[in-house]
Amino acid sequence: AQSVTQLGSHVSVSEGALVLLRCNYSSSVPPYLFWYVQYPNQGLQLLLKYTTGATLVKGINGFEAEFKKSETSFHLTKPSAHMSDAAEYFCAVRDDYKLSFGAGTTVTVRA
Amino acid sequence: GAGVSQSPRYKVAKRGQDVALRCDPISGHVSLFWYQQALGQGPEFLTYFQNEAQLDKSGLPSDRFFAERPEGSVSTLKIQRTQQEDSAVYLCASSLGTSGRTETQYFGPGTRLLVL
Repeated sequence: AQSVTQLGSHVSVSEGALVLLRCNYSSSVPPYLFWYVQYPNQGLQLLLKYTTGATLVKGINGFEAEFKKSETSFHLTKPSAHMSDAAEYFCAVRDDYKLSFGAGTTVTVRA
Repeated sequence: GAGVSQSPRYKVAKRGQDVALRCDPISGHVSLFWYQQALGQGPEFLTYFQNEAQLDKSGLPSDRFFAERPEGSVSTLKIQRTQQEDSAVYLCASSLGTSGRTETQYFGPGTRLLVL
């Protein structure tokens, strides 16, 4: 079975600073990887996904992630944090038809 | 366009009560999923439908949990004799096709269930 591990349950950044959220995966087959964001009292919204091809994936709201097979990682970054980025972020790997999620990382943004 | 909708958004139940949670997927979506998200955790898979067929129910925690999608559209997740450990957010997701590995799952806002 495929799985992901998110390092750090809570990240605090200053507005305008780099956001870096870490995700490592375990997969016996080429992984299909996803990042979702969850705002308070809302469902999950897809930020970006990696399937095949280019290893640097760009998503919505200025986020991007790089698939590194050698490191089994799929870290999410944003160069400059905005107050509206405060939310919970989930990394997930496609395990056949279902998604296996990490435990999530809560991002707070300091003014 | 309309996304995935779920109702009720919040449900408080007394221990032992039965509850029914509804999911309206995006129109035309073939695949439908239910996930359970405990406090402070990521969502965990419960069950999967392709049209009206329930192809996987391996994630249902016990036989008190039952899901159906009789006409291949709306789905209901029923929990009988609720227990405190059933308190969680129940998320529904749908995808357009038969859930090839690259397909995006679109999530609803969830139903927050609190069992007292």
